[in-house]
Amino acid sequence: DTAVSQTPKYLVTQMGNDKSIKCEQNLGHDTMYWYKQDSKKFLKIMFSYNNKELIINETVPNRFSPKSPDKAHLNLHINSLELGDSAVYFCASSQVTSGGEQFFGPGTRLTVL
Amino acid sequence: AQSVTQLDSHVSVSEGTPVLLRCNYSSSYSPSLFWYVQHPNKGLQLLLKYTSAATLVKGINGFEAEFKKSETSFHLTKPSAHMSDAAEYFCVVSESTGGFKTIFGAGTRLFVKA
Repeated sequence: DTAVSQTPKYLVTQMGNDKSIKCEQNLGHDTMYWYKQDSKKFLKIMFSYNNKELIINETVPNRFSPKSPDKAHLNLHINSLELGDSAVYFCASSQVTSGGEQFFGPGTRLTVL
Repeated sequence: AQSVTQLDSHVSVSEGTPVLLRCNYSSSYSPSLFWYVQHPNKGLQLLLKYTSAATLVKGINGFEAEFKKSETSFHLTKPSAHMSDAAEYFCVVSESTGGFKTIFGAGTRLFVKA
């Protein structure tokens, strides 16, 4: 059973399009995250949701909008895609009481042409 | 404010020799500290974690790390490198309360030569 899953695994699209990435966790965790990993492997947190409420919103353009329909899902919608959005996006989850250990999804490689 | 510095962007060792990946951190709180490994084109896997219990932490695949508060360090070691250890390693600091805000180091790429 996959603990944290993301779809799609690869996403190739044109500039200006709108796209979504889905994330689901079956670990019963109460917190979910989105990270962006750039070409130099640097990982930066974008958003964090706890019990469906936005906890962390780093300086991310408002073209990025996370949506958490329930505790097990955190989707990422991106409007008006730009070349600089090309990266690998990782979803993760954790349980507050577990001391911050996060479980990561396999990543979604987004390429904007 | 939290920060984490991985002192080497890449480390190269021969198979069978020791591995040392260095990490320094700063945190306003009692931190939780983690090491994650990322193999090429894969997600991140937790190697080990420190959450204010024993200062010497043992992880998977023979890795261990020692929390040294006086040096604000959390270096990762392994006595004998294996070819399969070649990967990117990330040191991570997290606030102890809630653990919502995590800061990743820039990563250290480990090369293992036959």
